[in-house]
Amino acid sequence: TQLLEQSPQFLSIQEGENLTVYCNSSSVFSSLQWYRQEPGEGPVLLVTVVTGGEVKKLKRLTFQFGDARKDSSLHITAAQPGDTGLYLCAGGRGTYKYIFGTGTRLKVLA
Amino acid sequence: KAGVTQTPRYLIKTRGQQVTLSCSPISGHRSVSWYQQTPGQGLQFLFEYFSETQRNKGNFPGRFSGRQFSNSRSEMNVSTLELGDSALYLCASSSHGEANYGYTFGSGTRLTVV
Repeated sequence: TQLLEQSPQFLSIQEGENLTVYCNSSSVFSSLQWYRQEPGEGPVLLVTVVTGGEVKKLKRLTFQFGDARKDSSLHITAAQPGDTGLYLCAGGRGTYKYIFGTGTRLKVLA
Repeated sequence: KAGVTQTPRYLIKTRGQQVTLSCSPISGHRSVSWYQQTPGQGLQFLFEYFSETQRNKGNFPGRFSGRQFSNSRSEMNVSTLELGDSALYLCASSSHGEANYGYTFGSGTRLTVV
């Protein structure tokens, strides 16, 4: 059973466009992380959100944790080719349990 | 400081063989987790070690095993390899051993079983 569903699964956009990726669950998570993974490499941690309703910004990336801590979103403003990659959300449930989302593969065309 | 180091980067094995993968976490990190990543299943949790003890285990058959040494380095072993074991195996380390802080991943070992 996949507890973290991401949408869309694939996204191909032109440079300069905005986009939003969603990470949804029916379960409550104590925290959520977002990672970006490039081909042949491991995921790289982008951000951690812990508090319901929390919003964090990382340059052109905006991350939000749902009020009920069951969902999260990642918004990219003015996407660039360097944003291309696999975006993964991951949730912590308790101290030792950690689950990854299904992933969103983003391609930004120049 | 050095990141998470996984060796080897690439490996080709024959069905029925066994394989051992190695992971050196970031200095000072005591938690090491292993994941299997395939196109169809995404990232699947294998197991987590903290201070040489397996603290959590995913839903994989007993052919998959691991261990952690006193210096926090970890190895995972897969015996009697099957074609379906072909995947990118990722190691992740954490200083706190708690999921709330996220993990630092290595570049992975790409295992191909033929």
